[in-house]
Amino acid sequence: AQTVTQSQPEMSVQEAETVTLSCTYDTSESDYYLFWYKQPPSRQMILVIRQEAYKQQNATENRFSVNFQKAAKSFSLKISDSQLGDAAMYFCAYRSLNSGGSNYKLTFGKGTLLTVNP
Amino acid sequence: GAGVSQSPRYKVAKRGQDVALRCDPISGHVSLFWYQQALGQGPEFLTYFQNEAQLDKSGLPSDRFFAERPEGSVSTLKIQRTQQEDSAVYLCASSLDGRSYEQYFGPGTRLTVT
Repeated sequence: AQTVTQSQPEMSVQEAETVTLSCTYDTSESDYYLFWYKQPPSRQMILVIRQEAYKQQNATENRFSVNFQKAAKSFSLKISDSQLGDAAMYFCAYRSLNSGGSNYKLTFGKGTLLTVNP
Repeated sequence: GAGVSQSPRYKVAKRGQDVALRCDPISGHVSLFWYQQALGQGPEFLTYFQNEAQLDKSGLPSDRFFAERPEGSVSTLKIQRTQQEDSAVYLCASSLDGRSYEQYFGPGTRLTVT
């Protein structure tokens, strides 16, 4: 079974600065997606960014980028120019792409609570 | 268009009561998922529907939990004889089909069992 580990329960960053959230995962599969989701106090999970395992290039979405290290099974999220609205719980998630298995469900880490200080 | 909606947003139940949680997925979305999120934890998979067919219920924690999606749209998660350990946020998500990478989440129902 796949596992996702987020070793930082809480992080804080000053507004306009950069912060990196860590995530490691364990899998024996070769094809999968990795995601970062944001969950603000309203509880609505919002997809921030995704990475396909077969792509070597790191995904980027505006101020959000990832550092995907497949061999090390590491998938960190970098938030640049942090804004007050970035404050939320961030979850790393894994989804298998292997046919024949449960390749539809997401496996989440425990989350990292990000505080943005003005 | 409208996103995934869930009702009620909050539910308080006395131990032993039955509860029903509703999910309205995005119109036209074939796949529907239920997740359970305990306090301070990440969501955990409960069950998966493709249209009206429940293809995976491996995450349901006990036979007190039951989910249905009879017409392939709205889904209901029912918990019988609620216990304190059932207290959690129940999240519903939908996606266009089983291959779509993005799951769109609802705001969740926070269930508190007293």
